Amino acid sequence: AQSVAQPEDQVNVAEGNPLTVKCTYSVSGNPYLFWYVQYPNRGLQFLLKYITGDNLVKGSYGFEAEFNKSQTSFHLKKPSALVSDSALYFCAVRDFLLGQNFVFGPGTRLSVLP
Amino acid sequence: DGGITQSPKYLFRKEGQNVTLSCEQNLNHDAMYWYRQDPGQGLRLIYYSQIVNDFQKGDIAEGYSVSREKKESFPLTVTSAQKNPTAFYLCASSMEGRTGELFFGEGSRLTVL
Repeated sequence: AQSVAQPEDQVNVAEGNPLTVKCTYSVSGNPYLFWYVQYPNRGLQFLLKYITGDNLVKGSYGFEAEFNKSQTSFHLKKPSALVSDSALYFCAVRDFLLGQNFVFGPGTRLSVLP
Repeated sequence: DGGITQSPKYLFRKEGQNVTLSCEQNLNHDAMYWYRQDPGQGLRLIYYSQIVNDFQKGDIAEGYSVSREKKESFPLTVTSAQKNPTAFYLCASSMEGRTGELFFGEGSRLTVL
């Protein structure tokens, strides 16, 4: 069975500092990995995905994520955080073999302090 | 602009009543999904549909029903059998194939009084 863990419920970072939101996964085969962001009372917005190829994936709003197969991780990063990045972040995995269903992590709340 | 439209945004229901949440997409996507979001639990899959007139149960389908009569539409009915229906409901769609990401609507918040 596939699963996603986001070990931190909350991440606090000062504006201008780099941020990392952690994600680890478990799948039977090769994973498809995704990051989404959610603002209060809104739907989820797609940030980036890893399918294959370069382990460093660049996405929207200056975010990037690094796929690490040996550590089964897909951490979200940004070199310089903005107050407007404060939101709820979800990591999701889709199993290559099973294909259809996405499994989401529980979410990490990011607070960027001015 | 292309996207997914959910309605209503907020809905109140008395216990024992059925309620239907609307989801319409103009992205020409084949697959559509319904998720339930509760605080601290991430998203849980209720139902999904890969093609018109076909749908499958997700992880928490009990107390819910869906239909897929048109490619653009995937309404969700929350029935009186759902024991704890108060939640934020999200509709999503994706392109055919395994690599496509999900596109989400803005959600519907259901509160049972």
